[in-house]
Amino acid sequence: NAGVMQNPRHLVRRRGQEARLRCSPMKGHSHVYWYRQLPEEGLKFMVYLQKENIIDESGMPKERFSAEFPKEGPSILRIQQVVRGDSAAYFCASSPASGDRLRYEQFFGPGTRLTVL
Amino acid sequence: AQTVTQSQPEMSVQEAETVTLSCTYDTSENNYYLFWYKQPPSRQMILVIRQEAYKQQNATENRFSVNFQKAAKSFSLKISDSQLGDTAMYFCAFMPRPGSSNTGKLIFGQGTTLQVKP
Repeated sequence: NAGVMQNPRHLVRRRGQEARLRCSPMKGHSHVYWYRQLPEEGLKFMVYLQKENIIDESGMPKERFSAEFPKEGPSILRIQQVVRGDSAAYFCASSPASGDRLRYEQFFGPGTRLTVL
Repeated sequence: AQTVTQSQPEMSVQEAETVTLSCTYDTSENNYYLFWYKQPPSRQMILVIRQEAYKQQNATENRFSVNFQKAAKSFSLKISDSQLGDTAMYFCAFMPRPGSSNTGKLIFGQGTTLQVKP
């Protein structure tokens, strides 16, 4: 059973460009969480999605950032008009669909390191 | 607001010795989970150990154990017989029990960088 997959692993963008980060959850997982890690800091929650629904986006900046988790395909975190402050590692985690004991298990992907020039 | 504090930015330990990493948290919730994650230089987040707040018994996983003090809101990690491969950043994390008002998001501390010396 493959783990959580993220691509690309490294992404370089110039200021003003768009960044698209992809996350494929573990097989059978329908809950996806996105976290951002700024240099020398801990991970900060951004958004929580289930298939075709955004459940909690309280940690996501109101402008330029969006996320989706379509019925088919990976979850996408999209950053429009990137700025240098967006440079960070972005981690995706997935968890199973049902059961409280299962829901608290989050399995992390390897992250995407975004560098904005 | 729920917060997690790790007051030790950096620590070091000699190989084969024991080290304890500190973590405190603040919450008004009664049901929650606590975790320690390891982030080696590869940056992959690896779950080390977890504790359910309603369980009084401290969790253990091989060389890793926790000291969970619910009243003091303290959750320290003890690593016994430290190995070179334990060198990593360690994050303490808190999760309110998922439910109608809690979405299961993890709240992380700032991290402690642990260096195991040969």
